[in-house]
Amino acid sequence: GAVVSQHPSWVICKSGTSVKIECRSLDFQATTMFWYRQFPKQSLMLMATSNEGSKATYEQGVEKDKFLINHASLTLSTLTVTSAHPEDSSFYICSALRTDSPLHFGNGTRLTVT
Amino acid sequence: SQQGEEDPQALSIQEGENATMNCSYKTSINNLQWYRQNSGRGLVHLILIRSNEREKHSGRLRVTLDTSKKSSSLLITASRAADTASYFCAQVNDYKLSFGAGTTVTVRA
Repeated sequence: GAVVSQHPSWVICKSGTSVKIECRSLDFQATTMFWYRQFPKQSLMLMATSNEGSKATYEQGVEKDKFLINHASLTLSTLTVTSAHPEDSSFYICSALRTDSPLHFGNGTRLTVT
Repeated sequence: SQQGEEDPQALSIQEGENATMNCSYKTSINNLQWYRQNSGRGLVHLILIRSNEREKHSGRLRVTLDTSKKSSSLLITASRAADTASYFCAQVNDYKLSFGAGTTVTVRA
């Protein structure tokens, strides 16, 4: 079946550095991908909708300059956490939209900012 | 995004027992989906029920939908230790998923 690959699975970085997370749809083209953030023992919060070839749509309260999203191809969306701080530590999950199919999720990226 | 509420927040049952969890949502929906998440992992889609459906089965899973009450339930029958996970309902509007708070299910062997 369809698979979404998310990379890396976990990353530890120092405060002030930037981290890029990749989300790939492996066997289908995804014009739309979604990025979620999940704090421990909490639900997923939609951060933004990534659209191939156009600007991402951010949810209210999400800083677009902080969380840069690029969807340059039909199979790849990237989320860059810029100038990361400890409060950005979280579990980030992407999902890809396939026509007439439920969303397919990546396995998530655990970001720890020290 | 509009989020639903799920109850209970946590559930602990013995292997072989049934687990039932409920989800309420606030706005009208195209469909409602249930997902499962193992600790520290992504979400796995379990079942989708459309707004014009009332009940759906998939293996040991049974989902009901009551649009008049804006609620859905997920029943896992004959639970197994491997069913231990968090379960989320998600309402769908314009392809966006809004997740409930989730129910953490622990199945004791």
